[in-house]
Amino acid sequence: AQKVIQVWSTTSRQEGEKLTLDCSYKTSQVLYHLFWYKHLLSGEMVLLIRQMPSTIAIERSGRYSVVFQKSRKSISLVISTLQPDDSGKYFCALWELMSNYNVLYFGSGTKLTVEP
Amino acid sequence: EAAVTQSPRNKVAVTGGKVTLSCNQTNNHNNMYWYRQDTGHGLRLIHYSYGAGSTEKGDIPDGYKASRPSQENFSLILELATPSQTSVYFCASGDLGGISYEQYFGPGTRLTVL
Repeated sequence: AQKVIQVWSTTSRQEGEKLTLDCSYKTSQVLYHLFWYKHLLSGEMVLLIRQMPSTIAIERSGRYSVVFQKSRKSISLVISTLQPDDSGKYFCALWELMSNYNVLYFGSGTKLTVEP
Repeated sequence: EAAVTQSPRNKVAVTGGKVTLSCNQTNNHNNMYWYRQDTGHGLRLIHYSYGAGSTEKGDIPDGYKASRPSQENFSLILELATPSQTSVYFCASGDLGGISYEQYFGPGTRLTVL
């Protein structure tokens, strides 16, 4: 069963708008992390934000933030003031603490197009 | 900042041919991973490794082998490439530091099997 679910496969917005990308996850572990990655058009995979359940989100950029709802097992990425360079594919990922088993589970991604 | 490199960046292969994708990391991470990314599937784990000499099957290992000859290097091998293996392949390294975990990705290799 899919552990990380991103409902939207594609979306488009206008420059200057604010966008929220939703992600839900399934885990029975106490210790886990959540990540948002961006797959750039150049091919590079960039870490945007890491969220641990017990801490405030660590933002990688001032325009990226998260809405974390632990009880609902939901983490949304919020991008304020969209720019054309924000175009790309965004992945939500889950890491669970298991003995000797450090693996990330990825959602299917949301492709974002920002129109000038 | 973490450094993971992959070679080649682009590869065109013929059906039935052997393909080797290479990955190098300078982070001294114990764990390394190979993923493929296809539209509608996100990233899927092919093989991973806990350290030099170890390889483990991920979620979709069929048709792939892996080799971890050293801490720094992790290769993905397609002995008999098929068109269904046309994809973008990502290598990553990661480690658990205390209770914090992070994974760093290479730039990806675009493989086309004709």
